[in-house]
Parts: sequence; C-alpha cells; structure tokens
Amino acid sequence: AQSVSQHNHHVILSEAASLELGCNYSYGGTVNLFWYVQYPGQHLQLLLKYFSGDPLVKGIKGFEAEFIKSKFSFNLRKPSVQWSDTAEYFCAVAPNYGGSQGNLIFGKGTKLSVKP
Amino acid sequence: EAGVTQFPSHSVIEKGQTVTLRCDPISGHDNLYWYRRVMGKEIKFLLHFVKESKQDESGMPNNRFLAERTGGTYSTLKVQPAELEDSGVYFCASSQRLRGGISGANVLTFGAGSRLTVL
Repeated sequence: AQSVSQHNHHVILSEAASLELGCNYSYGGTVNLFWYVQYPGQHLQLLLKYFSGDPLVKGIKGFEAEFIKSKFSFNLRKPSVQWSDTAEYFCAVAPNYGGSQGNLIFGKGTKLSVKP
Repeated sequence: EAGVTQFPSHSVIEKGQTVTLRCDPISGHDNLYWYRRVMGKEIKFLLHFVKESKQDESGMPNNRFLAERTGGTYSTLKVQPAELEDSGVYFCASSQRLRGGISGANVLTFGAGSRLTVL
C-alpha cells in the first residue's frame, strides 16, 4: 500500500537553528508532492509543492524542499527557523496516474517547537 | 476570496447519536474532499466529490458514514450512529477543476476542520 513516512514526531529547535524534516514515500510511479503546515489554531496551509521540473522547490516563509526521486524523498528545509515557525508540518504525496492526480496520502506529521 | 468553511468547529456527542458536519467550499471549486485525522494517526482520505457526483469514496470507513453534496455546492458528512472510534478531526478541502495544459496538478485548500468527540 502507498504510504508516507515522516521521520520525526516532534522536533525542538532554538531560533536561528537550521531545520530539516524528512519525508519518504512508497510509490513507484509519478507523484505530485506537497508540504502543508498547520499553525496553532489555524487551518492546514500549503507550504510548497512539486509537480515537475526543478527538483528543488521554494515555498513561502523561506522554506524549500528537494525531491530526490532515487531516494523517494521530499525533505523540507529552512536555514534559520523563527519562533513563528512553531507548527505541525505534514508531507503529502499524490500519485499521478497518467495525468490524473490521485488523492493525497499524508504522513503522520511532525510537530516543530521553536524556542525563543 | 473566502476560504473553505466548516461547521461546527467542535462537536461532542454520545455514542449512538447522530452528527452532521458541513463544509462550504471555495466558490467555483468543483472538487470537494473529506479527510479525517484520528488522534495520533495520519490524515486519511475519505471521499471526493466532483460537483455533486461522488468520484471516489474508497476511504469511507463503513456505512455509518454518509456524504452528500446536493447541487454541487456545500457538502454534509453524517455519522449515524456515532461510535467511539469516530472521534477525530474531519477536514474538508476543495480545489478547482483541472484546466487544460495543467495535467495532473491539483492543489487543495483546506478548511479549519471539525473536531468530533464521541463519548
């Protein structure tokens, strides 16, 4: 069965530290890839997405992610986190069936706590 | 533009009762999705409407769950009778119909979720 694995359940960092959240998926075909973020008390928001082209994608608020097809990975990075980045981060994968996007498959989420 | 709106934000009911969750998608979005997150688990797909038609309902847990989207606008998700394991956060999302030239690319906008607690 298709699945998405997020390596860390809870990450605690100090402000200005660098962040990398791991995401691996199990699906052998073409995929669309997403990172969503849920800030405390808010709804899920799209952070960034990859459909095709340059495997290094840039999103909002200084986040970026790199798609490594050979590793089935789509890790999220930020060089220097801020207290306002405290949130829960979800990696999601949608299989692409010959041009038709399948439904999103989510990882369990990673809670990020940034200490001021 | 207004986002995806869900109601209620939180519902507490007893086992055996009925609850109806409502989702108002972004105006003009043909695609409407329901997802659920049970505590400690991943967000899981329940079903997908294209306008008023059920495109995919493979994620619906059982026949106690009934989703409708009459007229292709808002959608309701009814749980009857509710069981303890139905507790969780129910998310609704919507997206535009895929346009020509954008093959296979579909970005969902999510609502804030409806938290259901079954006692």
